Amino acid sequence: RKEVEQDPGPFNVPEGATVAFNCTYSNSASQSFFWYRQDCRKEPKLLMSVYSSGNEDGRFTAQLNRASQYISLLIRDSKLSDSATYLCVVNALPDSSYKLIFGSGTRLLVRP
Amino acid sequence: GAGVSQSPSNKVTEKGKDVELRCDPISGHTALYWYRQSLGQGLEFLIYFQGNSAPDKSGLPSDRFSAERTGGSVSTLTIQRTQQEDSAVYLCASSLGPPSGGQETQYFGPGTRLLVL
Repeated sequence: RKEVEQDPGPFNVPEGATVAFNCTYSNSASQSFFWYRQDCRKEPKLLMSVYSSGNEDGRFTAQLNRASQYISLLIRDSKLSDSATYLCVVNALPDSSYKLIFGSGTRLLVRP
Repeated sequence: GAGVSQSPSNKVTEKGKDVELRCDPISGHTALYWYRQSLGQGLEFLIYFQGNSAPDKSGLPSDRFSAERTGGSVSTLTIQRTQQEDSAVYLCASSLGPPSGGQETQYFGPGTRLLVL
């Protein structure tokens, strides 16, 4: 079983749609959770950290369910510029807090 | 300010040759990471440097891979006797410090695309 699993997609949605991505992780000791965004042939960039209580940043909402070892990302009012691959990332505790485990990513295509 | 830079941006080499990949982290960042990303895959952790501490080399796939970080700044990843399966994008990232109090955000360089023929 992969340490971080994501649906590869692609999710093909119209502009303005709401779309949600899910991610499961296997290491129950993980303490830090993130969503990164990666554009085609570009480096990953931090989109947002995920906090236990859930957090929102504009059109983006992240949720964490520790009991189910599940992370989600909700994007409201999708824009064409949201088209990218979204990487779910967790840290590798208890081995090391700095070692990040990346999922393979979920690809989002927003069409006009 | 300047972000993480990597060179070369692309490298084509023949099987069996050695290659060196360079990373210049953001000035003042004490932590430096190397990852590789194969086509359509997630990032695979290779090695982590933090200040003057011994690096965590646990992600290096074989003894053909090595890395060093001189003066706590620039890092070089060396792959000896390259194999076709080494073809990937090699990404470097740096962070202000080790994970604590919000210093853990990793900023990535543009990567080096390595193709071994």
